[in-house]
Amino acid sequence: RKEVEQDPGPFNVPEGATVAFNCTYSNSASQSFFWYRQDCRKEPKLLMSVYSSGNEDGRFTAQLNRASQYISLLIRDSKLSDSATYLCVVMKLNAGNMLTFGGGTRLMVKP
Amino acid sequence: DTAVSQTPKYLVTQMGNDKSIKCEQNLGHDTMYWYKQDSKKFLKIMFSYNNKELIINETVPNRFSPKSPDKAHLNLHINSLELGDSAVYFCASSRGGLAGLGVQYFGAGTRLSVL
Repeated sequence: RKEVEQDPGPFNVPEGATVAFNCTYSNSASQSFFWYRQDCRKEPKLLMSVYSSGNEDGRFTAQLNRASQYISLLIRDSKLSDSATYLCVVMKLNAGNMLTFGGGTRLMVKP
Repeated sequence: DTAVSQTPKYLVTQMGNDKSIKCEQNLGHDTMYWYKQDSKKFLKIMFSYNNKELIINETVPNRFSPKSPDKAHLNLHINSLELGDSAVYFCASSRGGLAGLGVQYFGAGTRLSVL
């Protein structure tokens, strides 16, 4: 079983839609959580950190459920420019800042 | 200015050859990394260096040898290339300590094709 699992998609949604991605992680020692975004044939870039109480950044909301070892990302009012692969990332403390990436969920926003 | 730059962007070579990929960051970060992203798009850590010292080596074959001449550079040398080495290799960097936790800046990637 992979340490970080995501539905690969693709999720095809119209502009303006709300879309949610889920991610589960298997290692309970995981301490920090992030969403990265990777455009086609580009490098990953940090989208947002995920805090225990949940956090929002504009149209993006991230949630963490430690008991269920589950992370989510909600995108409201989808834009064409949101089309990308969203990578769920976990980190264990005292592991040299080592990030473990999920396989990514591909989002395609259509006009 | 590019924060994390890696060269070359594309590398096509024959099996058995030796090749190097260079990486430089101008962010003043203490820690640098090499990742491999295979055809299934999984991104996996290979190595991590902090202030020129190796801190992570994730069971990578010893044909792969990272070298960090200073904390702004982390190069990757690959000996005796195999077909399975074909992938995109990303360099990344981050600040040390709590401020850098999880926040990594990636280079544009090097697409390696082994024929």
